[in-house]
Amino acid sequence: AQRVTQPEKLLSVFKGAPVELKCNYSYSGSPELFWYVQYSRQRLQLLLRHISRESIKGFTADLNKGETSFHLKKPFAQEEDSAMYYCALKGYSTLTFGKGTMLLVSP
Amino acid sequence: DVKVTQSSRYLVKRTGEKVFLECVQDMDHENMFWYRQDPGLGLRLIYFSYDVKMKEKGDIPEGYSVSREKKERFSLILESASTNQTSMYLCASSTQQGAYEQYFGPGTRLTVT
Repeated sequence: AQRVTQPEKLLSVFKGAPVELKCNYSYSGSPELFWYVQYSRQRLQLLLRHISRESIKGFTADLNKGETSFHLKKPFAQEEDSAMYYCALKGYSTLTFGKGTMLLVSP
Repeated sequence: DVKVTQSSRYLVKRTGEKVFLECVQDMDHENMFWYRQDPGLGLRLIYFSYDVKMKEKGDIPEGYSVSREKKERFSLILESASTNQTSMYLCASSTQQGAYEQYFGPGTRLTVT
């Protein structure tokens, strides 16, 4: 069975500090992974996908098949990065979401 | 710009009532989804639909049913609401090809008393 694990419910950092939101997955096939973000009072939206290998709002995520991980990283956190972040794994025709990590960036 | 709308932002219902949550998308998407979002539990898929009149159970379908009579509209039905169905309900849609880029509605916060 496929599974997504986000071990941290809450991650609190100061502005300018590096951020790493952890995501581990369990999947028997070739995985496709995504990060979704929900800012306060806004809709959940796609942040980035691993196949595009892009940087969005300074965030990057690399798929590590050996460690079955897809951690989200940003070198210098900003207050506007405060949000709920969900890692998601592609299934047969749907997404499996992790439980989410709340990122709080303090000034 | 994709627009997914949900009929209510906040809803309060009594135990045992029949509840309808409506979702409409305006981008001609084939796929539509209903999730519930609970603190500490993340997003859990209730039902999804890949075509009109087609539906598939998600991870937690018990106590829910759905209806998709038109391509743009996907309804979630709680036949007899219970307090453990108090939650935030999110609707989403996607194209068939980009099934993994889902566009979400603003959510309906349902309270069952």
